[in-house]
Amino acid sequence: EVQLSESGGGLVQPGGSLRLSCAASGLTFRSYAMSWVRQAPGKGLEWVSSISGSGGRSDYADSVKGRFTISRDNSKNTLYLQMNSLRAEDTAFYYCAKDLAPIPLAAADYWGQGILVTVSS
Amino acid sequence: QSVLTQPPSAAGTPGQRVTISCSGSSSNIGTNTVNWYQHLPGTAPKFLIYSNDQRPSGVPDRFSGSTSGTSASLAISGLQSEDEADYYCAAWDDSLNAWVFGGGTKLTVL
Repeated sequence: EVQLSESGGGLVQPGGSLRLSCAASGLTFRSYAMSWVRQAPGKGLEWVSSISGSGGRSDYADSVKGRFTISRDNSKNTLYLQMNSLRAEDTAFYYCAKDLAPIPLAAADYWGQGILVTVSS
Repeated sequence: QSVLTQPPSAAGTPGQRVTISCSGSSSNIGTNTVNWYQHLPGTAPKFLIYSNDQRPSGVPDRFSGSTSGTSASLAISGLQSEDEADYYCAAWDDSLNAWVFGGGTKLTVL
């Protein structure tokens, strides 16, 4: 059974940094694109970033471009999101998600349980 | 606002059929397949429909998807109380190189 588990969330001050991790099991990790999707309080789902199965291609939402970096370690079956220059509007539940294919199709069949990131002084 | 447009709310009584629309453009729905998610805030979104009209295993056949041009629809027949949730359409956008979501539709079962 595929399982995704996020870690690394918490409270951080504006301008600070945080690194989220997503440990995957039950799948051939390198065969699938992975994504981060977030939901701010009272808002809808918002795509943050995706990375191809090989790690050779990554894409970002305009709202995080230049501040967040997605990466993956296929030897450790782990996805990462390095978040720098955090803002109050980055406060959200962050979900990691597995796509159906090695390239992102916006078709995520498995999701983590989500982890809360709060940016506040 | 969202790249894909959904109505903010929908409602129906148990047993009824409801549809949720999703409008996009040539760079997303017009080119790539549409996927639908069911979500209760604070929980993991559920994969509901993929490739426009395919159901993952375990999703009841009460749920169906369709597309036409740059629009898509999700239909739920035989509405049940447990269907009360937020529903999102999604597609990859080739112009933005981004996964785009609709704003979400809150379904209420009266």
